[in-house]
Order: sequence, then C-alpha cells, then structure tokens
Amino acid sequence: EPEVTQTPSHQVTQMGQEVILRCVPISNHLYFYWYRQILGQKVEFLVSFYNNEISEKSEIFDDQFSVERPDGSNFTLKIRSTKLEDSAMYFCASDGGAEAFFGQGTRLTVV
Amino acid sequence: QKEVEQNSGPLSVPEGAIASLNCTYSDRGSQSFFWYRQYSGKSPELIMFIYSNGDKEDGRFTAQLNKASQYVSLLIRDSQPSDSATYLCAVLWAAGNKLTFGGGTRVLVKP
Repeated sequence: EPEVTQTPSHQVTQMGQEVILRCVPISNHLYFYWYRQILGQKVEFLVSFYNNEISEKSEIFDDQFSVERPDGSNFTLKIRSTKLEDSAMYFCASDGGAEAFFGQGTRLTVV
Repeated sequence: QKEVEQNSGPLSVPEGAIASLNCTYSDRGSQSFFWYRQYSGKSPELIMFIYSNGDKEDGRFTAQLNKASQYVSLLIRDSQPSDSATYLCAVLWAAGNKLTFGGGTRVLVKP
C-alpha cells in the first residue's frame, strides 16, 4: 500500500541551526502539506503546496520556514534559525483530491 | 476563527461495547469531515471521512454528520483494546484545502 515517507524520524538540533525535513509523498498525489504537533497539543496546519507553489500557509509559517519540491518525488520543509519552541512532531501529508494521508512524522528537538 | 472542538476524555469503554465520540465545529462553510486515529507518539491514521448528512459505515466504524447542528460523531462498535488511542476530528473548510483538527478524544478500551 502506498505511503508517505518522512526522514529523519528524529532530529536533534541546536538552537539557531537550520534543519531540513524530508518527505516523499504518495506518487500521483498532487497536494502536499506540512503539519506540526507540539507535545500534548493539537495538530496544526503549516502550509499546503500544489502545482509547485504554496497554495495556503498559516500564521505559524513565517519567514523562518520554507518549502520546496526539488525534484519529482521529494518535498522538504526548511526551518531556519531554529528556536526552542520549534520542538514538535512535524508531519507531511499528501492527498490525491479526497483524503489526506500522513507520514510517520519527524520528531524535532531543539536544544 | 474556525474551531473544531472535542471532549478530551478519557472515554473509558468495556471491551465489546460501543464507543461514541462527538465533534462540533464552528463554521457552516465546511466541506468534509475526517476521523483519524492517533496512537501515542505516532502519526494520524485515517479512519474514514464523510461529507453528506447522515450515516456512513465502514466496518466497525460509523460516522454521523449533522450539518444543521454542526456536529459529527464516530461510533466504534465491538470495541477492542487495540482501539485504545486518541481520535482526532478534522474539518476541511470549503475555502482552502487545509484540515483543522480538534484536540482529540482519548479512548481507553478495558478488557
């Protein structure tokens, strides 16, 4: 069964460093998303991506964040100058027009 | 602000019984409604979605939607200990293509 794949599963980084979270969406899906979940809190929308451009972004998704689809398969989230409050589970999702399927997540710990 | 609300629980259910979970949402401009299951430390796993008023059944799960009253519910029949998880309600609004999640209801199925 097709699935969304995320790497790494866990990343520890020092405050102020840049991190890149990677995702391989389900092939033939056209819509890609990043969500995050701070421990004990709701899953929050960050950004959606369609046709090689951002289609919607939340207030959280400020200049610190960027997304890219560098090739036909990968979808990345870059977080510049990480802060302690960026520590969370980051989920990539994709959908083919009906329902969104989530990857297993990357646990980002900023120390 | 569009909101999705769920009782945080825990909802304790004897094995074999029916678990009933509710979700309310704040805006009538909604499109589709999703139920996800999330085990601790894992990613949301899609159970089912519904977009028309009424009931939709899939195996042991039934989703019920009432747009006039702005609620959606999930019934889990013949609950099993493996159903113990947090159940997330998510709404796809008519404007945009992002999911807004509720805080989840924790379900405990006791043998």
